[in-house]
Amino acid sequence: GENVEQHPSTLSVQEGDSAVIKCTYSDSASNYFPWYKQELGKGPQLIIDIRSNVGEKKDQRIAVTLNKTAKHFSLHITETQPEDSAVYFCAASRAGNTGFQKLVFGTGTRLLVSP
Amino acid sequence: DAGVTQSPTHLIKTRGQQVTLRCSPKSGHDTVSWYQQALGQGPQFIFQYYEEEERQRGNFPDRFSGHQFPNYSSELNVNALLLGDSALYLCASSLRTAGTYNEQFFGPGTRLTVL
Repeated sequence: GENVEQHPSTLSVQEGDSAVIKCTYSDSASNYFPWYKQELGKGPQLIIDIRSNVGEKKDQRIAVTLNKTAKHFSLHITETQPEDSAVYFCAASRAGNTGFQKLVFGTGTRLLVSP
Repeated sequence: DAGVTQSPTHLIKTRGQQVTLRCSPKSGHDTVSWYQQALGQGPQFIFQYYEEEERQRGNFPDRFSGHQFPNYSSELNVNALLLGDSALYLCASSLRTAGTYNEQFFGPGTRLTVL
């Protein structure tokens, strides 16, 4: 079945450092890859997404890359700040003609940014 | 503009009981998806409703059922509760657009504890 693996499970960095989280997906038909940030006691919040026709996307300090051949995608956060501390989830989805899609999530990465 | 709302926030039940969780989608959205998030894990897709019909279903037993109302709000019902049903139940809403990617917005979740 569909599966998304995510690494590392925990990541500790110093403020100002960069953080990289990597995911691998199994369903070669996946074509939409969102990243969510989940803070304690809250639901996941979309922070950036990438579609299969794009190799890289950037939004201020956040960037995502996609390697369709290897079925890998990664989240890059530069100049980390303490407020970036949260659990980050990658997800993969197959968006088809029906407009109905389900998200398959990774297991999450707990990012801790120390001042 | 209200986002996705869920009720109740927390719920404690005993094994064998039945529970109903409620979700109101973001204004303008017509599709509701439900996810189960066990502690320390990523969300897992339960099912998705559109036009009051179940459109997709994940690998969950028939004890999990749902409903969507004409105003697009939704309920998740779980019968014969097991200890393993203890989790955060997340509702996500989206606007169905055929042939493209439909961003899913998540609510804060309902924390269900089964004793």
